[in-house]
Amino acid sequence: KAGVTQTPRYLIKTRGQQVTLSCSPISGHRSVSWYQQTPGQGLQFLFEYFSETQRNKGNFPGRFSGRQFSNSRSEMNVSTLELGDSALYLCASSWDGQGTEAFFGQGTRLTVV
Amino acid sequence: GDSVTQMEGPVTLSEEAFLTINCTYTATGYPSLFWYVQYPGEGLQLLLKATKADDKGSNKGFEATYRKETTSFHLEKGSVQVSDSAVYFCALSGPGGATNKLIFGTGTLLAVQP
Repeated sequence: KAGVTQTPRYLIKTRGQQVTLSCSPISGHRSVSWYQQTPGQGLQFLFEYFSETQRNKGNFPGRFSGRQFSNSRSEMNVSTLELGDSALYLCASSWDGQGTEAFFGQGTRLTVV
Repeated sequence: GDSVTQMEGPVTLSEEAFLTINCTYTATGYPSLFWYVQYPGEGLQLLLKATKADDKGSNKGFEATYRKETTSFHLEKGSVQVSDSAVYFCALSGPGGATNKLIFGTGTLLAVQP
């Protein structure tokens, strides 16, 4: 059974540019969540999608957005990149329901220069 | 709001030593509790979970018990190995509302020396 796949693994972008990250969840999982991991702030929740609808959102500026497609694949977009957006972005997929475990991808390492 | 507090690292132990990593939480209602592990350059892997009070999660020799009275979920292992060296995250999800959102602690780096 394939795990959660995130592409690309590494990205280098320039300040002011925009970036799109992709996540393919485990087959059958309809919930996809995104997290930002940095040394200073740790793991922070960005947003969660379920059946193509954003179900929950963290405290990030509007430059961070996402979407989910009918096949449950998800993308997140960051516009007008800032140096502080450099981070590891992790995607997690789950069955629905409280207490279900989240399966994480290996992440996309974004460096903004 | 909901939050998770875990002990600061790094924790440095010799092989075969006993491990405890403390985790306490604040949440309304009854969250589910998790321990995740992250190896260098990797994403997070679920280590164990507990979904209700007094549940004990266990995996690969690691254990944690959901203590509602002390709002704690401490991670323990009787004999650590060098291969256990990683960062460990305590997390909660729920309660209330349909969501799989996880709230994480700051992580504890464990270094096991041979």
